Amino acid sequence: EDQVTQSPEALRLQEGESSSLNCSYTVSGLRGLFWYRQDPGKGPEFLFTLYSAGEEKEKERLKATLTKKESFLHITAPKPEDSATYLCAVQAAAAGNKLTFGGGTRVLVKP
Amino acid sequence: KAGVTQTPRYLIKTRGQQVTLSCSPISGHRSVSWYQQTPGQGLQFLFEYFSETQRNKGNFPGRFSGRQFSNSRSEMNVSTLELGDSALYLCASSYSRQGTEQFFGPGTRLTVL
Repeated sequence: EDQVTQSPEALRLQEGESSSLNCSYTVSGLRGLFWYRQDPGKGPEFLFTLYSAGEEKEKERLKATLTKKESFLHITAPKPEDSATYLCAVQAAAAGNKLTFGGGTRVLVKP
Repeated sequence: KAGVTQTPRYLIKTRGQQVTLSCSPISGHRSVSWYQQTPGQGLQFLFEYFSETQRNKGNFPGRFSGRQFSNSRSEMNVSTLELGDSALYLCASSYSRQGTEQFFGPGTRLTVL
């Protein structure tokens, strides 16, 4: 069974204090690993898709990387507007569009 | 380009009732997936529809069902509601089933009293 574990569960950062979120996964044939951002009361907002080990993608202050067992979301010099829950999900090759999500990391950036 | 829309946004029902939720995918997207989000279980996959056919189903009881129409719009139905069905129901649309990005709607908040 596909499994995704995210750590830490919660992260409190000062504005400008860079950090990394971890997503460990086990999946039968990875088709893609997805990162989403979710604000309270809203649907997840798509950030990145990573397809193979060694791949990296960047968007503003966020950078996602992928290895064969885990993915990292690096937040560089975060701002208060980066406060959100960050979700990681995997898609298995034989599972169509089914995403298996981790529990998420709640990030709070204080000014 | 309009995003994924879901109606209604909020719903209050009582135990034993049934409910129908609606999802309109992004124009041109043919795949619609449904998820249940609760504080205890997180985001869990319900089912996926593509070209009006259910392609995949999660571990939910038969009270949860869905369908997709020829214009790719989708509905999900929950019959005989239980207190534990209170959750945020999210739908996601994507262009294909080949690992392309999935975009979520704002969700329908269902409260069962």
